[in-house]
Amino acid sequence: AQRVTQPEKLLSVFKGAPVELKCNYSYSGSPELFWYVQYSRQRLQLLLRHISRESIKGFTADLNKGETSFHLKKPFAQEEDSAMYYCALNYGGSQGNLIFGKGTKLSVKP
Amino acid sequence: EAGVTQSPTHLIKTRGQQATLRCSPISGHTSVYWYQQALGLGLQFLLWYDEGEERNRGNFPPRFSGRQFPNYSSELNVNALELEDSALYLCASSPTGRTEAFFGQGTRLTVV
Repeated sequence: AQRVTQPEKLLSVFKGAPVELKCNYSYSGSPELFWYVQYSRQRLQLLLRHISRESIKGFTADLNKGETSFHLKKPFAQEEDSAMYYCALNYGGSQGNLIFGKGTKLSVKP
Repeated sequence: EAGVTQSPTHLIKTRGQQATLRCSPISGHTSVYWYQQALGLGLQFLLWYDEGEERNRGNFPPRFSGRQFPNYSSELNVNALELEDSALYLCASSPTGRTEAFFGQGTRLTVV
């Protein structure tokens, strides 16, 4: 069965430190993976998707099919990065098959 | 551009009652998705509507149902409410065939 696993419920780092939020998925086909972010009192929004291979707000994520991972990374964390981060897997080619991990709360301390 | 809007923001119901949640997608979006975000369980996929038809359904009992109207707005109905139905219900929309979902602020349903 398809599954998205985010092993860390909470990740706490200091400002300027590197950040890596882990995401592993289980899917035998060709996945489409996303990272969504929810800042305090704001709605869930798309941060980036693997097919775009882009950097958003300094964050990047690379799909590693061998390790079935899609970890989110940023070299220097900022306080404004504090938020809930959700990894999501789209399988079957339609958004109706979008499943989410349970999320990781990132706290960046000054 | 107006985002996805959901109403009401909060809803309190007693066990056994019915709840109706509403969602208006972004203009031009034909697909609407419903998710349940219960404490500690993350986002669980409920339903997907596109062009007025139910396209996919998550692993929820039949008392969770909904519909999509000709203007692409959507309702989620939960019958015979149970205490464990208490959760944040999120609606998202996207254009047909696109995979990026835009989320609303959610409806907080509390069953007492």
